[in-house]
Amino acid sequence: AQSVTQLGSHVSVSEGALVLLRCNYSSSVPPYLFWYVQYPNQGLQLLLKYTTGATLVKGINGFEAEFKKSETSFHLTKPSAHMSDAAEYFCAVSGSGNTGKLIFGQGTTLQVKP
Amino acid sequence: NAGVTQTPKFQVLKTGQSMTLQCAQDMNHNSMYWYRQDPGMGLRLIYYSASEGTTDKGEVPNGYNVSRLNKREFSLRLESAAPSQTSVYFCASMPRQGFNGYTFGSGTRLTVV
Repeated sequence: AQSVTQLGSHVSVSEGALVLLRCNYSSSVPPYLFWYVQYPNQGLQLLLKYTTGATLVKGINGFEAEFKKSETSFHLTKPSAHMSDAAEYFCAVSGSGNTGKLIFGQGTTLQVKP
Repeated sequence: NAGVTQTPKFQVLKTGQSMTLQCAQDMNHNSMYWYRQDPGMGLRLIYYSASEGTTDKGEVPNGYNVSRLNKREFSLRLESAAPSQTSVYFCASMPRQGFNGYTFGSGTRLTVV
């Protein structure tokens, strides 16, 4: 069965600093991996995804993530944090079969300090 | 705007009451999903419909039922609400072709007292 672990429920960075949100997954089949962002009182918005091909994927708002099969990781990074990046971030992996089910991590809240 | 529409946005129920959460998408997507979001637990799948005419249980189906009314609409019903069902509920949809992730609705915040 697939599973996702996000390391750190809260991450705090200063504006302009590197953002690193960690995600490790478990999957018995080649995974599809996703990062979503949720701003307060809103739904989830897709940041980026890895399906096949290039292991470094770029998303919206300057975020990127690298799929590392050997480490079963899909960490999310951004070189320079902005105040508007403060939100909750979710990593997700595709479930088994062809149902389109996604398994989500527990989420990481990013705080950006001025 | 095209997307996933959920109604209502907020609801307070008394224990034992029933209600239906509505979800509709206008993107001609085949698959639809209901998740609940609880603090520290991420999103957990309640039910899903991989295609029109089919529904299946997810991780936490107890206390819920669903109906895929047509390709556009996928409703979630609580027959006898319990305080443990206090949560934020999200509906999502996805096209059959490719695996581009979900489009989410804006959520329904449900409180059961």
